[in-house]
Parts: sequence; C-alpha cells; structure tokens
Amino acid sequence: NAGVTQTPKFRILKIGQSMTLQCTQDMNHNYMYWYRQDPGMGLKLIYYSVGAGITDKGEVPNGYNVSRSTTEDFPLRLELAAPSQTSVYFCASTPSGNIGEQYFGPGTRLTVT
Amino acid sequence: DAKTTQPTSMDCAEGRAANLPCNHSTISGNEYVYWYRQIHSQGPQYIIHGLKNNETNEMASLIITEDRKSSTLILPHATLRDTAVYYCIVRPLGGSGAGSYQLTFGKGTKLSVIP
Repeated sequence: NAGVTQTPKFRILKIGQSMTLQCTQDMNHNYMYWYRQDPGMGLKLIYYSVGAGITDKGEVPNGYNVSRSTTEDFPLRLELAAPSQTSVYFCASTPSGNIGEQYFGPGTRLTVT
Repeated sequence: DAKTTQPTSMDCAEGRAANLPCNHSTISGNEYVYWYRQIHSQGPQYIIHGLKNNETNEMASLIITEDRKSSTLILPHATLRDTAVYYCIVRPLGGSGAGSYQLTFGKGTKLSVIP
C-alpha cells in the first residue's frame, strides 16, 4: 500500500498561472480532503469529498476547485494563482464514517511569486 | 468539539517510554480521543484513537482515565525518529456539514527525543 500520494512535491508559480495538485490513494477510502497549512499555523480545510462525484466546500475554498471522478483520485485545481496561496497543501483520506482517522499525504509545497 | 490542553514541550531519553498527557475535561459522551503527530516538514500522521477503553497498536498505547477527562499517549521505546509535535484531538466519530469534516489541531506537545 502506497497510502496517499501527492504530486508534485514542490512547485513555484507566477501570479496568475494555474496548476493542478494531484492526489491519489490506494486504500479504497471513500472520504478525501484537501488542506492547506501556512507556516506555523494549523490546517485549514479547502474541500472535501465523501465519494466519487460528490464534493463540498470546506473553510477556505475561494480560489480552488476540485473534482472526484474516481474513488482513488482527488485533484485540486488552482486558478489564477495569488501570493496568498503560497502554502503547503496536504491531501488526506479516511475510511467512511470515522472522520477523525485521516491519513495524510506528504504534501505539496507551493510558492506563488 | 471539546477543547484539549497539552504541555508545550517534553523531552524523553532515547529508548525510554514517552508519556504524553492530554486534558479534555469537557469531553462529551459521543466524542473520541484521537492522537496525531507531525514530524517537521511532513504531513500529519494518525497514531491511535479510543473512546473509553485503553487501546494499543504497533505505534503506541492510549490510556484514557475512567472519567474520560484526560488521556496519555505512550510511545514504549522512543527513538530519534519520534521527535515531532504530538496533537490530541477530541471529536465525534462521524459528522455532517463542512465544519465536522475538518480536523482541528491545537498547539500540541513538541516531543524531543534525546540521544
């Protein structure tokens, strides 16, 4: 089991560019999440999904979009990147029903300049 | 979700047991105790969770007091790789609505394992 994998590990974007952060899990988890973590701060939920075809906004969804066409994949799209989106992005997944037991990927460190 | 209180930092000698306490005096009957850790520059890592009975897995043991107002995470033989910030979270198993899907970490305990 690879668990939750994320690509890329690092990325530098110019203001206004777009990109997709990839997230894949091989644990057959229905629930998946995207968080951002700013330096020295806690996690903030961007979007989550409770199954293929179902997504919903978290605490900080503005500037991001997601899709969930398969159980395994949950890509996060950044449109018109802004310096405020400089952060570390973590994807996570959980077995259905036990939301507290989340398994995280290694993260993508994004810098927007 | 119930509020938790943890010491800011702790040291532990390599090879000794690390005992990390957490107070959660306002815990509700349907709330579980979860423990995570975050090693520098890595994603948070789920460790263990429990409701009222003591729990053990390959990583750690969780001891919850009978009144459920506090708990202790035990790493039986700490290694240098266990140096991390450890978070205690109290929350229900499931949820509904965006707020219930987010994990909220407090300040945690910075555990330093000393050679």
